Amino acid sequence: EPEVTQTPSHQVTQMGQEVILRCVPISNHLYFYWYRQILGQKVEFLVSFYNNEISEKSEIFDDQFSVERPDGSNFTLKIRSTKLEDSAMYFCASRSRAEKLFFGSGTQLSVL
Amino acid sequence: SQQGEEDPQALSIQEGENATMNCSYKTSINNLQWYRQNSGRGLVHLILIRSNEREKHSGRLRVTLDTSKKSSSLLITASRAADTASYFCATVSSGNTGKLIFGQGTTLQVKP
Repeated sequence: EPEVTQTPSHQVTQMGQEVILRCVPISNHLYFYWYRQILGQKVEFLVSFYNNEISEKSEIFDDQFSVERPDGSNFTLKIRSTKLEDSAMYFCASRSRAEKLFFGSGTQLSVL
Repeated sequence: SQQGEEDPQALSIQEGENATMNCSYKTSINNLQWYRQNSGRGLVHLILIRSNEREKHSGRLRVTLDTSKKSSSLLITASRAADTASYFCATVSSGNTGKLIFGQGTTLQVKP
């Protein structure tokens, strides 16, 4: 069964450093998302991406965040200058025209 | 605004028993979905119910939706130890990008 893949599974970085989280969505999917989950809390929406542009973003997704789909397969989330509070599990998700989302296994980001 | 508040937050039952989880939400929705998350892993879609549906079944899962009360329930019948996981409801509002707004989740433990 096709799946969303995310790399790396764990990322440790120093505060103020830039990180790029990578995702390969399912190949024929059209809509792409990033979510995050701080330990013990709910899953929070960050951004949605469709037709090569951001279609919606949350208040969390400020100027420090950006997304790209540089080629036909990858979908990346960049955090320019990480803060301690960015420590979380980041999930990529994708879907076709159906509403069901397929999630990757996540990248655990630890900012020290 | 908060969406998809669930109760109970934690549920512990014996194998073979039924597990019921409830979810409430605040805004109008297009559909409501339930996802499962094993510890430290990504979310897996379980079932979707549309706003014009009242009940839906999938295997051992039964979902109900009451739009007048803005609430939904997930029933897992004849539970198994392998059902141990966190369960989240998530809503999709009309006219948006298909983003999911997640509840806090219910942690289910099924004892063998």
